[in-house]
Amino acid sequence: DSGVTQTPKHLITATGQRVTLRCSPRSGDLSVYWYQQSLDQGLQFLIQYYNGEERAKGNILERFSAQQFPDLHSELNLSSLELGDSALYFCASSVAASGYHEQYFGPGTRLTVT
Amino acid sequence: GQNIDQPTEMTATEGAIVQINCTYQTSGFNGLFWYQQHAGEAPTFLSYNVLDGLEEKGRFSSFLSRSKGYSYLLLKELQMKDSASYLCAVGPGNAGNMLTFGGGTRLMVKP
Repeated sequence: DSGVTQTPKHLITATGQRVTLRCSPRSGDLSVYWYQQSLDQGLQFLIQYYNGEERAKGNILERFSAQQFPDLHSELNLSSLELGDSALYFCASSVAASGYHEQYFGPGTRLTVT
Repeated sequence: GQNIDQPTEMTATEGAIVQINCTYQTSGFNGLFWYQQHAGEAPTFLSYNVLDGLEEKGRFSSFLSRSKGYSYLLLKELQMKDSASYLCAVGPGNAGNMLTFGGGTRLMVKP
């Protein structure tokens, strides 16, 4: 158990819908990262927040957005869902914003868009 | 940008040694990570190299050559539970601390 929690574990929804994925980092960690893992794309970085502020952005679609709240939990919002958005979404956390710090991954949310 | 290559699949025998290679081309580099991921589960950290050379941690060792853009993960005394995907990742980038992952190498350990 990494100490990172994610809810829900599974999510099934239809195309065009909107969903929210939630992540709570390990106690003491200020950075939260979101990654998407699909069969054909591997594990891809989406976005990083540090202490409530966006820190880095990867290949995140405009239909996707995220935020980190004062209690440091984070939410990833996915809207206008398409079949291709079906994937495992992982949240990870680390102590600091940059430099070497091991990232701890949560168990993931499996999103299925039908 | 980042380009990370590793073999898609490998097979090895229980008790043997296996080496998983990773080559990378990156615009920014501050370390190479290896993660293990069992199917449907979260990646778990195995090792980190920032300087050239070999880092040993029990049955697992990782090597880095920054001049060659090359790393490998060495697994000794293979066990059936080592059957998993092994992900090579480069990070941090120029901003933040995100990891750029290779496609992963699926290792199958046979009796």
